[in-house]
Amino acid sequence: DAKTTQPNSMESNEEEPVHLPCNHSTISGTDYIHWYRQLPSQGPEYVIHGLTSNVNNRMASLAIAEDRKSSTLILHRATLRDAAVYYCILRDTASGTYKYIFGTGTRLKVLA
Amino acid sequence: DTGVSQDPRHKITKRGQNVTFRCDPISEHNRLYWYRQTLGQGPEFLTYFQNEAQLEKSRLLSDRFSAERPKGSFSTLEIQRTEQGDSAMYLCASSLGHSNQPQHFGDGTRLSIL
Repeated sequence: DAKTTQPNSMESNEEEPVHLPCNHSTISGTDYIHWYRQLPSQGPEYVIHGLTSNVNNRMASLAIAEDRKSSTLILHRATLRDAAVYYCILRDTASGTYKYIFGTGTRLKVLA
Repeated sequence: DTGVSQDPRHKITKRGQNVTFRCDPISEHNRLYWYRQTLGQGPEFLTYFQNEAQLEKSRLLSDRFSAERPKGSFSTLEIQRTEQGDSAMYLCASSLGHSNQPQHFGDGTRLSIL
């Protein structure tokens, strides 16, 4: 079973910020939070990941709650090319394989 | 481009035929994963290699499925006696060995069973 919970879909206007929420109440102390996005007919694309502190990169920011039971992916200015399915993932660290356990993600629609 | 490469991108075959897919990971990555994705769902883990050793297989991987990674470089996933339910996107990903390193995905092989 997926370890994360996300809304099925969200909409945003172009050039406005987007906040994509994720709940991961069963997160353990060593679990990193990874975000990916997937465009149609493409593989998942890495966006950002973090452990405890907020993280920024050229694509997005990741805000992690103090108790680490939730996080938010922030796209600062949505463009039409950001329309995708966004996955919030915790890795399976118990077995040592560090495989991803995907949920169904959030489908982001960006309106022109 | 030095990303993960998968071949072929599309495969159409008749039920009962065997198919083989290839994945070329990023060259310095010692971990390699196979996932399967059906329409409207997130990818599901199938199997994992560390170098040439296959260390974990999902229960989704029936005995008709076999994966190899000779010499710890490219990997192949073979499906024997294909069934309608095997129609899916098969994704390969690779990563470095540290637990916090992200996986890098290829664009997958889409399998359609007639």
